[in-house]
Amino acid sequence: AQKITQTQPGMFVQEKEAVTLDCTYDTSDPSYGLFWYKQPSSGEMIFLIYQGSYDQQNATEGRYSLNFQKARKSANLVISASQLGDSAMYFCAMKPRNTPLVFGKGTRLSVIA
Amino acid sequence: EAQVTQNPRYLITVTGKKLTVTCSQNMNHEYMSWYRQDPGLGLRQIYYSMNVEVTDKGDVPEGYKVSRKEKRNFPLILESPSPNQTSLYFCASSLQTTFSTDTQYFGPGTRLTVL
Repeated sequence: AQKITQTQPGMFVQEKEAVTLDCTYDTSDPSYGLFWYKQPSSGEMIFLIYQGSYDQQNATEGRYSLNFQKARKSANLVISASQLGDSAMYFCAMKPRNTPLVFGKGTRLSVIA
Repeated sequence: EAQVTQNPRYLITVTGKKLTVTCSQNMNHEYMSWYRQDPGLGLRQIYYSMNVEVTDKGDVPEGYKVSRKEKRNFPLILESPSPNQTSLYFCASSLQTTFSTDTQYFGPGTRLTVL
């Protein structure tokens, strides 16, 4: 069965510091995609970053990077130089082939000035 | 602008009064899906559709219906809403679901309250 685990219900980070949000996954499919979404207080779901299971390098998108450790089945999101606007819920998700997206329960990040 | 739209954005209704939440995408995506989001439970899939006239149950389909008569539209129907269907609902679409690279794009959400 496919499963995503986010063990941190809430996190605090000082403005301008980096923060890592944890995500572990479980799947038997060798081909899968890993996604992170941001949900601000306004409610919309915003796609942040994607990592493929066969990608050799960790994905980066601006201040977001994905620390992909395949052997450990982890796909942690790293946000560098945190900003107040980064305060939001963050969801990790996984998509094997021919299977709908599976979400974790999310981590609420609060950035402190 | 490429987007997924949902209407209404907010709805307060009463138990038993049939309602429809519309969802439309302009990206020519084959795959569309409905989720509900509840505190502490994350996002759970209600129904999905891999193409026109093809729909399948997700994890929590009870009390919901969907249809996919056109590629761009995927309405969610609550025939007899109950208070336990009070939730935040998202429609999403992606090019396909075959590949692990298919990124899903979400609508803005519909906040439904059933009294």
